[in-house]
Amino acid sequence: DSGVTQTPKHLITATGQRVTLRCSPRSGDLSVYWYQQSLDQGLQFLIQYYNGEERAKGNILERFSAQQFPDLHSELNLSSLELGDSALYFCASSVDFGPTYEQYFGPGTRLTVT
Amino acid sequence: GENVEQHPSTLSVQEGDSAVIKCTYSDSASNYFPWYKQELGKGPQLIIDIRSNVGEKKDQRIAVTLNKTAKHFSLHITETQPEDSAVYFCAASRNAGNMLTFGGGTRLMVKP
Repeated sequence: DSGVTQTPKHLITATGQRVTLRCSPRSGDLSVYWYQQSLDQGLQFLIQYYNGEERAKGNILERFSAQQFPDLHSELNLSSLELGDSALYFCASSVDFGPTYEQYFGPGTRLTVT
Repeated sequence: GENVEQHPSTLSVQEGDSAVIKCTYSDSASNYFPWYKQELGKGPQLIIDIRSNVGEKKDQRIAVTLNKTAKHFSLHITETQPEDSAVYFCAASRNAGNMLTFGGGTRLMVKP
């Protein structure tokens, strides 16, 4: 168990809908990362937050957004969902964003868009 | 941006044999190379990592080697056991706390 928690574990929704995925980092970790894992694209970085501020952005669609709250939990919002958004979404956390701070992954949320 | 290639995509070995997975990266500024193990239905688990200031790191049956000149790094698992069966991912980044770029994964199957 990495100490990173994600809810819900599974989510099934219809095209056009909006969902929110939640992540709680390990105790003491200030940095949160979101990754998407799909069969055709593999594991891809979406976005990173550090202590409430956005720090880095990867291949995140404009329909997706995220935020990190004062208690350091993070939410990933996915809107106008398409079939191709079906994937596993992982949250990872680290103490900081420097050269020595490893990333630890949560169990993921499996999103199915029908 | 960074591009990480991983080979092979599948690897089948007999229990007790060694397994080697290789990765190449494109960004010469990358200096942190972790390896993750992902079991079915679980998130990636960090198993070992190496930074660019060392050429090799070992942890029990697992070792990682890095060749910065050739821009490739490898995972070596010795005395494989059935519980080593999983998908393994290599990754690269400029720092441990920066975004990771992952390879495509290797499905390792250890036959008893």
